[in-house]
Amino acid sequence: NAGVTQTPKFQVLKTGQSMTLQCAQDMNHEYMSWYRQDPGMGLRLIHYSVGAGITDQGEVPNGYNVSRSTTEDFPLRLLSAAPSQTSVYFCASSYLNPGTDTQYFGPGTRLTVL
Amino acid sequence: GIQVEQSPPDLILQEGANSTLRCNFSDSVNNLQWFHQNPWGQLINLFYIPSGTKQNGRLSATTVATERYSLLYISSSQTTDSGVYFCAVKARKTSYDKVIFGPGTSLSVIP
Repeated sequence: NAGVTQTPKFQVLKTGQSMTLQCAQDMNHEYMSWYRQDPGMGLRLIHYSVGAGITDQGEVPNGYNVSRSTTEDFPLRLLSAAPSQTSVYFCASSYLNPGTDTQYFGPGTRLTVL
Repeated sequence: GIQVEQSPPDLILQEGANSTLRCNFSDSVNNLQWFHQNPWGQLINLFYIPSGTKQNGRLSATTVATERYSLLYISSSQTTDSGVYFCAVKARKTSYDKVIFGPGTSLSVIP
């Protein structure tokens, strides 16, 4: 199993550009989440999904969109990038509710918005 | 919402020393997890410990849910223990899918 994969590993955007961060898992996990990690603030939940076709907002959803058309994939879209979105983005998945089950994290995407 | 604090924010240890990391939370929780983020950024789950004590090799964790804290013990530290340690909780009153992370403790183990 590849586990949780994320692409790209690094990305530089200009303010106003849009892009999609890709996340895929091959463990048949129902639950998937996107987090951002900023210095001194730990990880904050952006959006999450409890299964294909079902998504919901986390702590910091503004400026991001998600969709879940398949169990395997959970892309995160930045609609109009802003410097405040410079961060490291992690995707995670779990078989059960992440509050009661081990979450498996991808390697992260380091995003810089100029 | 629930607040999660971790202490100390930074810790430097000589190889072989022991340490205790603390996680305090402001409300009742259904569960608590400890994660290690290595210097390359990879996050690994260490313990799922809503209450009680668990041990895994040189690491052990204790959660006292009634007093709203958890402790992570690292014994005989090694340089490979370096990185950031996060605790993450799911509050009883929140949506069952949301996990809140603390700000982390950055550990450096020097030879």
